[in-house]
Amino acid sequence: GAVVSQHPSRVICKSGTSVKIECRSLDFQATTMFWYRQFPKQSLMLMATSNEGSKATYEQGVEKDKFLINHASLTLSTLTVTSAHPEDSSFYICSATGGRGGYTFGSGTRLTVV
Amino acid sequence: QQQVKQSPQSLIVQKGGISIINCAYENTAFDYFPWYQQFPGKGPALLIAIRPDVSEKKEGRFTISFNKSAKQFSLHIMDSQPGDSATYFCAASMKTSYDKVIFGPGTSLSVIP
Repeated sequence: GAVVSQHPSRVICKSGTSVKIECRSLDFQATTMFWYRQFPKQSLMLMATSNEGSKATYEQGVEKDKFLINHASLTLSTLTVTSAHPEDSSFYICSATGGRGGYTFGSGTRLTVV
Repeated sequence: QQQVKQSPQSLIVQKGGISIINCAYENTAFDYFPWYQQFPGKGPALLIAIRPDVSEKKEGRFTISFNKSAKQFSLHIMDSQPGDSATYFCAASMKTSYDKVIFGPGTSLSVIP
Protein backbone atom coordinates (compact mmCIF):
# COMPACT_ATOMS: atom_id res chain seq x y z
CA GLY A 1 0.00 0.00 0.00
CA ALA A 2 0.86 3.67 -0.14
CA VAL A 3 3.37 4.75 2.51
CA VAL A 4 4.22 8.26 3.63
CA SER A 5 7.33 8.67 5.75
CA GLN A 6 7.65 11.70 7.99
CA HIS A 7 10.82 12.77 9.82
CA PRO A 8 11.74 13.51 12.46
CA SER A 9 9.12 11.95 14.71
CA ARG A 10 10.15 14.19 17.59
CA VAL A 11 12.19 17.36 17.74
CA ILE A 12 13.04 19.78 20.50
CA CYS A 13 14.45 23.13 19.52
CA LYS A 14 15.33 26.39 21.17
CA SER A 15 13.14 29.43 20.77
CA GLY A 16 14.20 31.50 17.77
CA THR A 17 15.66 28.65 15.77
CA SER A 18 14.18 27.02 12.67
CA VAL A 19 13.10 23.42 12.28
CA LYS A 20 12.58 21.45 9.08
CA ILE A 21 10.18 18.52 8.83
CA GLU A 22 10.30 16.15 5.86
CA CYS A 23 7.47 14.22 4.30
CA ARG A 24 8.23 11.57 1.70
CA SER A 25 6.01 9.32 -0.35
CA LEU A 26 7.92 6.05 -0.50
CA ASP A 27 6.18 4.00 -3.16
CA PHE A 28 4.16 6.49 -5.16
CA GLN A 29 4.37 9.94 -6.66
CA ALA A 30 2.49 12.44 -4.55
CA THR A 31 0.77 14.96 -6.78
CA THR A 32 -0.45 16.90 -3.78
CA MET A 33 0.73 17.04 -0.20
CA PHE A 34 -1.01 18.56 2.78
CA TRP A 35 0.29 19.81 6.11
CA TYR A 36 -1.82 19.66 9.23
CA ARG A 37 -1.32 20.84 12.77
CA GLN A 38 -2.89 19.15 15.76
CA PHE A 39 -3.02 20.40 19.34
CA PRO A 40 -3.57 17.93 22.20
CA LYS A 41 -7.03 16.41 22.22
CA GLN A 42 -8.05 18.45 19.20
CA SER A 43 -8.71 17.75 15.57
CA LEU A 44 -6.37 18.20 12.64
CA MET A 45 -6.30 21.69 11.24
CA LEU A 46 -5.18 22.06 7.64
CA MET A 47 -2.33 24.51 7.32
CA ALA A 48 -1.49 24.37 3.64
CA THR A 49 -1.73 22.46 0.40
CA SER A 50 1.28 22.01 -1.83
CA ASN A 51 1.60 20.80 -5.38
CA GLU A 52 4.92 19.77 -6.86
CA GLY A 53 6.72 22.66 -8.49
CA SER A 54 4.31 25.37 -7.43
CA LYS A 55 3.80 27.61 -4.43
CA ALA A 56 1.85 26.25 -1.51
CA THR A 57 -1.68 27.43 -0.82
CA TYR A 58 -2.07 28.43 2.81
CA GLU A 59 -5.27 28.31 4.81
CA GLN A 60 -6.64 31.50 6.28
CA GLY A 61 -4.76 32.54 9.39
CA VAL A 62 -1.60 30.54 8.65
CA GLU A 63 1.50 32.69 8.29
CA LYS A 64 3.28 31.64 5.10
CA ASP A 65 6.50 33.38 6.14
CA LYS A 66 6.43 31.46 9.40
CA PHE A 67 5.66 28.06 7.95
CA LEU A 68 7.67 27.62 4.76
CA ILE A 69 6.59 24.76 2.54
CA ASN A 70 8.64 23.38 -0.30
CA HIS A 71 7.42 20.63 -2.63
CA ALA A 72 10.46 20.26 -4.85
CA SER A 73 9.74 16.78 -6.16
CA LEU A 74 6.86 14.35 -6.54
CA THR A 75 8.08 12.41 -3.51
CA LEU A 76 9.21 15.09 -1.06
CA SER A 77 7.64 18.02 0.71
CA THR A 78 9.19 19.93 3.57
CA LEU A 79 7.74 22.20 6.23
CA THR A 80 10.12 24.64 7.89
CA VAL A 81 8.98 26.37 11.04
CA THR A 82 11.02 29.57 11.10
CA SER A 83 11.98 31.45 14.24
CA ALA A 84 10.07 28.95 16.33
CA HIS A 85 8.42 30.01 19.56
CA PRO A 86 6.83 27.95 22.35
CA GLU A 87 3.35 28.56 20.90
CA ASP A 88 4.48 26.71 17.76
CA SER A 89 4.84 23.54 19.82
CA SER A 90 2.39 21.08 18.34
CA PHE A 91 1.98 17.82 16.43
CA TYR A 92 2.53 18.35 12.72
CA ILE A 93 1.23 15.79 10.24
CA CYS A 94 1.64 15.56 6.51
CA SER A 95 -0.46 13.65 4.05
CA ALA A 96 -0.25 12.91 0.37
CA THR A 97 -2.50 11.98 -2.50
CA GLY A 98 -1.50 10.00 -5.53
CA GLY A 99 -1.10 6.49 -4.21
CA ARG A 100 -3.58 3.63 -4.49
CA GLY A 101 -4.89 4.48 -1.04
CA GLY A 102 -5.94 7.87 -2.29
CA TYR A 103 -4.97 9.85 0.77
CA THR A 104 -2.21 8.70 3.12
CA PHE A 105 -0.93 10.29 6.33
CA GLY A 106 2.56 10.38 7.72
CA SER A 107 3.20 9.35 11.31
CA GLY A 108 3.52 12.93 12.54
CA THR A 109 6.21 15.10 14.14
CA ARG A 110 6.01 16.25 17.73
CA LEU A 111 7.65 19.69 17.89
CA THR A 112 8.57 21.15 21.25
CA VAL A 113 10.02 24.64 21.38
CA VAL A 114 11.78 25.50 24.62
CA GLN B 1 -16.32 27.71 10.03
CA GLN B 2 -16.86 24.17 11.20
CA GLN B 3 -17.98 22.28 8.14
CA VAL B 4 -18.09 18.84 9.73
CA LYS B 5 -19.73 18.29 13.10
CA GLN B 6 -19.14 15.17 15.19
CA SER B 7 -20.62 13.69 18.32
CA PRO B 8 -20.14 12.51 20.97
CA GLN B 9 -16.87 14.08 22.03
CA SER B 10 -16.06 11.01 24.08
CA LEU B 11 -17.55 7.56 24.35
CA ILE B 12 -17.11 4.66 26.74
CA VAL B 13 -18.31 1.26 25.59
CA GLN B 14 -18.03 -2.15 27.16
CA LYS B 15 -16.17 -4.88 25.34
CA GLY B 16 -18.47 -6.58 22.88
CA GLY B 17 -20.79 -3.60 22.64
CA ILE B 18 -21.58 -1.35 19.71
CA SER B 19 -19.84 2.01 19.38
CA ILE B 20 -21.74 4.65 17.42
CA ILE B 21 -20.30 7.97 16.31
CA ASN B 22 -22.35 10.50 14.39
CA CYS B 23 -21.32 13.22 11.98
CA ALA B 24 -23.06 15.93 10.00
CA TYR B 25 -21.83 18.14 7.21
CA GLU B 26 -22.99 21.38 5.69
CA ASN B 27 -21.43 21.64 2.25
CA THR B 28 -23.37 19.61 -0.31
CA ALA B 29 -20.35 19.69 -2.62
CA PHE B 30 -18.59 17.12 -0.43
CA ASP B 31 -18.47 13.80 -2.24
CA TYR B 32 -16.16 11.62 -0.18
CA PHE B 33 -16.60 10.78 3.49
CA PRO B 34 -13.77 8.90 5.20
CA TRP B 35 -13.33 7.86 8.80
CA TYR B 36 -9.91 7.92 10.38
CA GLN B 37 -8.58 6.18 13.47
CA GLN B 38 -5.77 7.80 15.41
CA PHE B 39 -3.73 6.38 18.26
CA PRO B 40 -1.78 8.72 20.58
CA GLY B 41 1.37 10.08 18.98
CA LYS B 42 0.54 8.63 15.57
CA GLY B 43 -0.87 9.98 12.36
CA PRO B 44 -4.46 9.14 11.40
CA ALA B 45 -5.11 5.96 9.47
CA LEU B 46 -7.97 5.48 7.05
CA LEU B 47 -10.54 3.11 8.50
CA ILE B 48 -13.38 3.11 6.01
CA ALA B 49 -14.88 5.57 3.55
CA ILE B 50 -18.10 6.09 1.62
CA ARG B 51 -19.36 8.12 -1.31
CA PRO B 52 -22.84 9.67 -1.32
CA ASP B 53 -24.23 7.31 -3.95
CA VAL B 54 -24.53 4.50 -1.39
CA SER B 55 -26.38 4.43 1.92
CA GLU B 56 -24.23 1.90 3.74
CA LYS B 57 -20.80 0.35 3.56
CA LYS B 58 -19.51 -2.45 5.73
CA GLU B 59 -15.96 -3.65 6.22
CA GLY B 60 -15.54 -6.27 8.90
CA ARG B 61 -16.77 -4.86 12.21
CA PHE B 62 -16.98 -1.31 10.84
CA THR B 63 -20.07 0.06 9.09
CA ILE B 64 -20.79 3.51 7.71
CA SER B 65 -24.40 4.59 7.37
CA PHE B 66 -25.01 7.57 5.11
CA ASN B 67 -28.11 9.78 4.87
CA LYS B 68 -27.64 12.18 1.98
CA SER B 69 -30.89 14.09 2.48
CA ALA B 70 -30.11 14.74 6.13
CA LYS B 71 -26.43 15.37 5.39
CA GLN B 72 -25.49 12.94 8.14
CA PHE B 73 -23.33 9.87 8.37
CA SER B 74 -22.32 7.58 11.18
CA LEU B 75 -19.78 4.94 12.11
CA HIS B 76 -20.82 1.76 13.86
CA ILE B 77 -18.19 -0.46 15.44
CA MET B 78 -19.65 -3.86 16.20
CA ASP B 79 -18.23 -6.14 18.90
CA SER B 80 -16.03 -3.32 20.17
CA GLN B 81 -12.66 -4.41 21.56
CA PRO B 82 -10.16 -2.70 23.89
CA GLY B 83 -7.82 -2.41 20.91
CA ASP B 84 -10.39 -0.15 19.26
CA SER B 85 -9.75 2.47 21.93
CA ALA B 86 -8.55 5.48 19.95
CA THR B 87 -9.71 8.80 18.63
CA TYR B 88 -11.97 8.63 15.60
CA PHE B 89 -12.38 11.44 13.12
CA CYS B 90 -15.03 11.69 10.47
CA ALA B 91 -14.07 13.79 7.49
CA ALA B 92 -15.27 15.09 4.18
CA SER B 93 -13.68 16.19 0.96
CA MET B 94 -14.49 17.20 -2.59
CA LYS B 95 -12.58 16.43 -5.72
CA THR B 96 -12.64 20.05 -6.82
CA SER B 97 -10.36 21.11 -3.96
CA TYR B 98 -7.36 18.90 -4.71
CA ASP B 99 -8.83 16.31 -2.36
CA LYS B 100 -8.44 18.61 0.64
CA VAL B 101 -9.92 16.78 3.62
CA ILE B 102 -11.88 18.60 6.31
CA PHE B 103 -11.91 16.82 9.66
CA GLY B 104 -14.56 16.67 12.32
CA PRO B 105 -13.51 17.48 15.91
CA GLY B 106 -13.00 13.84 16.86
CA THR B 107 -14.41 11.28 19.28
CA SER B 108 -12.31 9.65 21.95
CA LEU B 109 -13.45 6.05 22.28
CA SER B 110 -12.60 3.91 25.28
CA VAL B 111 -13.58 0.26 25.22
CA ILE B 112 -13.49 -1.20 28.71
CA PRO B 113 -13.22 -4.91 29.51
